[in-house]
Amino acid sequence: GQQVQQSPASLVLQEGENAELQCNFSSTATRLQWFYQHPGGRLVSLFYNPSGTKHTGRLTSTTVTNERRSSLHISSSQTTDSGTYFCAIDESSSFSKLVFGQGTSLSVVP
Amino acid sequence: GALVYQYPRRTICKSGTSMRMECQAVGFQATSVAWYRQSPQKTFELIALSTVNSAIKYEQNFTQEKFPISHPNLSFSSMTVLNAYLEDRGLYLCGARVDSGNTLYFGEGSRLIVV
Repeated sequence: GQQVQQSPASLVLQEGENAELQCNFSSTATRLQWFYQHPGGRLVSLFYNPSGTKHTGRLTSTTVTNERRSSLHISSSQTTDSGTYFCAIDESSSFSKLVFGQGTSLSVVP
Repeated sequence: GALVYQYPRRTICKSGTSMRMECQAVGFQATSVAWYRQSPQKTFELIALSTVNSAIKYEQNFTQEKFPISHPNLSFSSMTVLNAYLEDRGLYLCGARVDSGNTLYFGEGSRLIVV
């Protein structure tokens, strides 16, 4: 089955700094998504990005499918960005059978 | 917007007892519901995928006998953890998808603590 590796495992930023989170996966058939998990547990979809670059607010996701990697860039980090970021690959055609990476735990300090 | 509510948020149950959790989709029709468990180490496991009017598909290591699921309509699903033991601890997340959608909308999860 699919394997998804994320790095770094954890990251501490000073407020205002930028961050780059990495995701590597084992297959070119990805349907890759990035999720943010609030400290309380809620999982929120940030991007559905199977290829190319997408932006929303201070977040940018770039997926290079043939190199089996994706990145999530966070610019001008804020304390409210703290939480865990997961990338996930869809193993099926259903958009429901997701294989998650182990996450990057981000802590933004004032 | 699309929202998913899960309850209870947290349950402490004695080893060998059962816990039922519910998942409510608001603002959209959840044709598919995926139940995941996130371990205390934060890894995810897919338990089962439920589509209205279709058989529920359980992943390896998960069975209907242990995790019975009901998905009676397009806004509601429930799952029970029967005879819960320590290895069943974790955050149970419900992810719902609309028919033409390309992502899952997740609830806040139901945390199971077994003592």
